[in-house]
Amino acid sequence: SQELEQSPQSLIVQEGKNLTINCTSSKTLYGLYWYKQKYGEGLIFLMMLQKGGEEKSHEKITAKLDEKKQQSSLHITASQPSHAGIYLCGARFGGSARQLTFGSGTQLTVLP
Amino acid sequence: KAGVTQTPRYLIKTRGQQVTLSCSPISGHRSVSWYQQTPGQGLQFLFEYFSETQRNKGNFPGRFSGRQFSNSRSEMNVSTLELGDSALYLCASSLVAGGPNGYTFGSGTRLTVV
Repeated sequence: SQELEQSPQSLIVQEGKNLTINCTSSKTLYGLYWYKQKYGEGLIFLMMLQKGGEEKSHEKITAKLDEKKQQSSLHITASQPSHAGIYLCGARFGGSARQLTFGSGTQLTVLP
Repeated sequence: KAGVTQTPRYLIKTRGQQVTLSCSPISGHRSVSWYQQTPGQGLQFLFEYFSETQRNKGNFPGRFSGRQFSNSRSEMNVSTLELGDSALYLCASSLVAGGPNGYTFGSGTRLTVV
């Protein structure tokens, strides 16, 4: 979706390295969701952010929401091969919006 | 607690046929959404059902339809299949649409149209 731009499109890192994935919206965000997908499988819910400045962490993954920039970042610390997959951000545009609009995804490869 | 169950996992159909996909949400979840995922277009919203009523619809032709039953299970139907309908179809359930706990996705149905 052009309303939600993800960068980079793909990322190859060495195990143990930190990395950041960005998700930038062209519209006001009412909720920003991060998911992980293994190729051809379903999406695994990681985190949801709603308020500007909000930051959430789960194990070695941290997500932040910058309301002014309408941008969210997903940061992985000390990456592991188990982190490999496609990371997708999804957004609700509008307080009454019931569906998610997704970015095009970031393909992450972690080399052992 | 059982997750979202989609059946079948794989399906091969011929152009012009119709297909029905099924989605059983997490127990207690009343909102079911359907998405189509293709390499070219990514993840696109098809429609959402809540309490047996379609609440929202994406930009897809009328060949794509769905319904929800009283037990919240949902089906989507695609009639007169085209090659371009080949995709991974994902359904997601939530307690309420847009809820803070996110949408739980099923493993998807891989549809191949030949």
